[in-house]
Amino acid sequence: AQSVTQLGSHVSVSEGALVLLRCNYSSSVPPYLFWYVQYPNQGLQLLLKYTSAATLVKGINDFEAEFKKSETSFHLTKPSAHMSDAAEYFCAVSDPQTGANNLFFGTGTRLTVIP
Amino acid sequence: DTEVTQTPKHLVMGMTNKKSLKCEQHMGHRAMYWYKQKAKKPPELMFVYSYEKLSINESVPSRFSPECPNSSLLNLHLHALQPEDSALYLCASSQDPTVVYGYTFGSGTRLTVV
Repeated sequence: AQSVTQLGSHVSVSEGALVLLRCNYSSSVPPYLFWYVQYPNQGLQLLLKYTSAATLVKGINDFEAEFKKSETSFHLTKPSAHMSDAAEYFCAVSDPQTGANNLFFGTGTRLTVIP
Repeated sequence: DTEVTQTPKHLVMGMTNKKSLKCEQHMGHRAMYWYKQKAKKPPELMFVYSYEKLSINESVPSRFSPECPNSSLLNLHLHALQPEDSALYLCASSQDPTVVYGYTFGSGTRLTVV
């Protein structure tokens, strides 16, 4: 079964600094990969997704992620953090080979932005 | 309309009550999902409806009963819940039953069982 591991349950960055949130997947076959953001008391919003097209994926709010098969990683980055980026971020995976139409989420990373 | 709307936003119910959660989308999506999210945890899949038919039930207790009356509406009927069922219940939809397009999530219903 597919799974994702998010390293670091909490990440703090200064406003204007680089944001790097880590996600590794466990599969010999490239899965579909997603990053979602969740603000307090809200649902999840899709930031970006990888579905076997370009390995560098650009999303909303200047976030991007790079799919690296050799490292089984899909880390999320943003060049310059804003206060409004403070939220919980979830990496999610699905397995296209099985045709499974459900997402499995990582345990999440809480991003704090320090003024 | 690019939203998934969930009602109510908050619900407090006793263990003997019967209540329902409602989810609606008008994007023409043909797959809809219920997720449960406990505090500081990731969402966990409960049910998947594909073309209005239940396709996945992740071994959810029978006190949770899903219903998909039409392609735009998804309900979750609740009966005889336990305090440990208190959580944020999220509804999501996708264009079709594959995940390639990603899911659109609602804002959730925060359920408290007393």
